[in-house]
Amino acid sequence: EVQLVQSGAEVKKPGESLKISCKASGYIFSNLWIGWVRQMPGKGLEWVGVIYPGDSTTKYSPSFQGRVAISADRSTSTAYLQWDALKASDTAVYYCARHVTMITFGGAASWYFDFWGRGTLVTVSS
Amino acid sequence: EIVLTQSPGTMSLSPGERATLSCRASQRVGNTYLAWYQQKPGQAPRLLIFGASSRATGIPDRFSGSGSGTDFTLTISRLEPEDFAVYYCQQYGGSPTFGGGTKVG
Repeated sequence: EVQLVQSGAEVKKPGESLKISCKASGYIFSNLWIGWVRQMPGKGLEWVGVIYPGDSTTKYSPSFQGRVAISADRSTSTAYLQWDALKASDTAVYYCARHVTMITFGGAASWYFDFWGRGTLVTVSS
Repeated sequence: EIVLTQSPGTMSLSPGERATLSCRASQRVGNTYLAWYQQKPGQAPRLLIFGASSRATGIPDRFSGSGSGTDFTLTISRLEPEDFAVYYCQQYGGSPTFGGGTKVG
């Protein structure tokens, strides 16, 4: 059974750093892309980015490029999302999700999401 | 970026009724790379449909997806009490994007 277990809720101040985690089980972690989706309070879903644990290749949404970093540890089957300097606008629930890869007409990879973690609430407030 | 517009924003229905949800893309979604998700309050989204019309594992057959190009539809043939939720479409013909959601209540 595929499971994605996320770290607990965090409360941080603006400017602080943060790293949240997502531990995967039930499949071969290195072989499939895994990434993150944001949901701001009362809002819809936004794709953040993804990593291929096999070689640590990452792809980011243009909206999040340079603002966050995604990493993975194959030895513990864990993916991470981190910020160097949080802003109040980063307040949201962050879901990790296993990504299913498809190749677009343009030859690039894109993804839909077949398994999801329960989410990590990140609150940034002074 | 492909922008997805879902309509209506909210629909008020009763158990046993049919629900028809629309998702329109700002440009053609190649290969019908369109998925649908269900999200209940306080829960993570759940994959319902991928490839515009293929049901994910364990999804009841009252859920069906259709469409191509720029217009896609999710149909719930007979609403069950557990189907009242928010539904999102997502395209993966380009960098992934989601629609704004339709609340079925």
